[in-house]
Amino acid sequence: DVKVTQSSRYLVKRTGEKVFLECVQDMDHENMFWYRQDPGLGLRLIYFSYDVKMKEKGDIPEGYSVSREKKERFSLILESASTNQTSMYLCASRLHPSLETEQYFGPGTRLTVT
Amino acid sequence: AQTVTQSQPEMSVQEAETVTLSCTYDTSESDYYLFWYKQPPSRQMILVIRQEAYKQQNATENRFSVNFQKAAKSFSLKISDSQLGDAAMYFCAYRSPTSMIYNQGGKLIFGQGTELSVKP
Repeated sequence: DVKVTQSSRYLVKRTGEKVFLECVQDMDHENMFWYRQDPGLGLRLIYFSYDVKMKEKGDIPEGYSVSREKKERFSLILESASTNQTSMYLCASRLHPSLETEQYFGPGTRLTVT
Repeated sequence: AQTVTQSQPEMSVQEAETVTLSCTYDTSESDYYLFWYKQPPSRQMILVIRQEAYKQQNATENRFSVNFQKAAKSFSLKISDSQLGDAAMYFCAYRSPTSMIYNQGGKLIFGQGTELSVKP
């Protein structure tokens, strides 16, 4: 079974702090994604990556950056956390961008910025 | 741009009864994929069912089935013989085929979600 893990289930940070959310998958997937989940809005794509060191903006990239130095790891970075970034963050991975395969999700990190 | 709409923020069903969750979408593409995901309190997103737009036959997975109406751009989920473990947030999602260069790596476009509660 594919396993996608996220470094924290819950995280509390202060405004202005630099925040790292880590995601690791164990199935050699090419594609990785970061989504943000908010009540009434569903999930929205922040960033995605096709391969190591490859990254592309999603629909709501403002205030975020990402890093993918190794294939299995995809990090979401909040350079200076703000209260409007309080949300649930979900990581996902997918085998390959050219194949009709499914996304597998991690358990999510609930981030609170105070 | 594609959009997905779930107009029922909350639904409730009696155990052992049947419930239908609604989803509509908007797209100009002729080929695409539709999904229903379940997110229980554990927050782990679980794929419930998948439908390819080119297939006319409605997908079925055990107690879960869909009513896919391509012309109406409607994709509802029917849960039969509801169980307490079905209580969760359900999301409808859309994906363009991977052949589309602008599909952003196969990203999913989600609806707002429907919170389903099951009464014993």
